[in-house]
Amino acid sequence: AQKITQTQPGMFVQEKEAVTLDCTYDTSDPSYGLFWYKQPSSGEMIFLIYQGSYDQQNATEGRYSLNFQKARKSANLVISASQLGDSAMYFCAMRTGGGNKLTFGTGTQLKVEL
Amino acid sequence: EAQVTQNPRYLITVTGKKLTVTCSQNMNHEYMSWYRQDPGLGLRQIYYSMNVEVTDKGDVPEGYKVSRKEKRNFPLILESPSPNQTSLYFCASSLNPWVQVTRNEQFFGPGTRLTVL
Repeated sequence: AQKITQTQPGMFVQEKEAVTLDCTYDTSDPSYGLFWYKQPSSGEMIFLIYQGSYDQQNATEGRYSLNFQKARKSANLVISASQLGDSAMYFCAMRTGGGNKLTFGTGTQLKVEL
Repeated sequence: EAQVTQNPRYLITVTGKKLTVTCSQNMNHEYMSWYRQDPGLGLRQIYYSMNVEVTDKGDVPEGYKVSRKEKRNFPLILESPSPNQTSLYFCASSLNPWVQVTRNEQFFGPGTRLTVL
């Protein structure tokens, strides 16, 4: 069975600092994809970044980067230079198999402080 | 603008009163899916559809029905809602996963907050 674990229910970070949100996954499928989504207080789900299991390099999208450690089955999201607008719930998700079903973690609530 | 729309955005209803949450996408996506979000549980898939007239159960299908008569629409039907179906519901769409095997992120609708009394 596929499983995503996010062990940090809540995180605080000061504005302009970097923050790492943890995500570990479990799957026996050699081909999988890892996603991070942001959910602000308004409720919508915003795609941030993707990492494929066969990708050789860590994914980056602007201020977001994914620290992918395949042997440890971890896919941590790093947000550099945090902004107040980064305050939100962040979900790690995994896609395995031939379909497009996403298995989500329980999320991490990030609060950026002045 | 490429988007997934859901209606209604908010709904309060009573136990047993049939309801439908509509979902529509304008990106010509083959794949569509419904998720529910509950505190401490993340999002869980209810049903999905790989294309018109092709639907299948996700992880938590009990108490829900879906249909896919047109490519753009994927309504979620609760025939006899119960309080344990109080949740935040998301519709999502993407390209055909059998064709687009990399990235292929799902685009989510704005969510429907349902309360069943």
